[in-house]
Amino acid sequence: EVQLVQSGAEVKKPGESLKISCKGSGYSFTSYWIGWVRQMPGKGLEWMGIIYPGDSDTRYSPSFQGQVTISADKSISTAYLQWSSLKASDTAMYYCVRRLNGCFDYWGQGTLVTVSS
Amino acid sequence: DIQLTQSPSFLSASVGDRVTITCRASQGISSYLAWYQQKPGKAPKLLIYAASTLQSGVPSRFSGSGSGTEFTLTISSLQPEDFATYYCQQLNSYPLYTFGQGTKLEIK
Repeated sequence: EVQLVQSGAEVKKPGESLKISCKGSGYSFTSYWIGWVRQMPGKGLEWMGIIYPGDSDTRYSPSFQGQVTISADKSISTAYLQWSSLKASDTAMYYCVRRLNGCFDYWGQGTLVTVSS
Repeated sequence: DIQLTQSPSFLSASVGDRVTITCRASQGISSYLAWYQQKPGKAPKLLIYAASTLQSGVPSRFSGSGSGTEFTLTISSLQPEDFATYYCQQLNSYPLYTFGQGTKLEIK
């Protein structure tokens, strides 16, 4: 069974760093792109970026380029989303997704990030 | 960048109704369009990909159509579990996989 299991909720202060994770199982982790999607409270879905764990090729939405870093460790089938300096506006639910041709077929359960002083 | 505009943004309907949601792209995206359903507090779920292909396990009352710039999601006979928010997403413009703004389907 394909699963994407994300790390737990985080509460951070502005200016702090954070790295959240997404562990894939039940499929060949290095053969599918993994993406990240943001959903701010009460709002819609926003595409952030994507990584191919096989060779770490990474692409970002222009809205998120320079704001976050996407990485992966194929040895443990895990993708990451990280911030070097969080802002209150980073408060959101973050989902990792697996890209199949033409869609995102599996979604993680989401990681809620709250940034508040 | 390709923009996706869903209409309506809010839809009130009754169990048994047939409903249609439209997604318009700012430029042609062939058939690279997917539809997702999201219920409160849950991750989105894939319903349809390649504009009209039903994901495995999704009830046949859901259907999708369209190509180019105009797409529709149709639910033939609304069930209580279908009240949710629906999003379209284009996957033509790699790697900018934009979403529509969402359509919230509520019980009348």
